[in-house]
Amino acid sequence: DIQMTQSPSSVSASVGDRVTITCRASQGISSWLAWYQQKPGKAPKLLIYAASSLQSGVPSRFSGSASGTDFTLTISSLQPEDFATYYCQQAKSFPWTFGQGTKVEIK
Amino acid sequence: DVQLVESGGGLVQPGGSLRLSCVASGFTFSSYWMSWVRQAPGKGLEWVANIKQDGSEKYYVDSVKGRFTISRDNAKNLLYLQMNSLRAEDTAVYYCARLMVGKIDPWGQGTLVTVSS
Repeated sequence: DIQMTQSPSSVSASVGDRVTITCRASQGISSWLAWYQQKPGKAPKLLIYAASSLQSGVPSRFSGSASGTDFTLTISSLQPEDFATYYCQQAKSFPWTFGQGTKVEIK
Repeated sequence: DVQLVESGGGLVQPGGSLRLSCVASGFTFSSYWMSWVRQAPGKGLEWVANIKQDGSEKYYVDSVKGRFTISRDNAKNLLYLQMNSLRAEDTAVYYCARLMVGKIDPWGQGTLVTVSS
C-alpha cells in the first residue's frame, strides 16, 4: 500500500497568514493526489484534485503543487472559515490512502 | 443537486451485525464507482471498500476483509455495507462517497456506528 505522510499535524495561524501543508507519498503517484477540508461534525469536502486542479466553487486562495513525491497545499491568505482539518489522499492505486491530517487552528 | 444520504448506523454489541445503506440522487448512480470511508472518533479518514459500477469488482481494506461486504442496487440507486463480526475498533462515522477519476466527491453526511457492550 502507498503511505501518505502529512506534515505538520497542526499549525496555528492568524487570519491573513499564508499556510502551507505538505504531503509525501511513499512511492511515485504522478499527479494522483487530492486535498480535502473537514470541519468538525461535517463530511470532508474536496478542494484540489490531480495535485493542482481547483475543484469548482473552491476559492482561489487554495492552491496545490507537486514535486516528485512531495505535494503541497497552500492557503494564500487564511480566512476565518478556513480553520479546519485538511487531508491529502492518493488516488494512484487501491487502496486509496489518506494522510494523517493537519489541523489549522486560530493563533 | 448531487446528494448521498446514509442510514443504518447505531449501537451494536461486539460480534454483532449491521447493514448500512446509502441512497444516491442527482446523478447517474450506475455510472460511478462508489466507496465507504470511515472515521473513528477523533481520528483521521480510513478508506473501507470500493465497488465498481456493475458490482463486478470490489476492494476492501485488510482490516475488514471477510467481515464486511459492499454491494449496490443500481435500479434503486442504493449502496450497502453489510458489516458482520463487528469489533470495538470498527466504531466510527461511516461515509458513503462517489469515486471520480482521482477524487472522491461528494461525500454523504455520515452515519455513526458504535460497537460496545
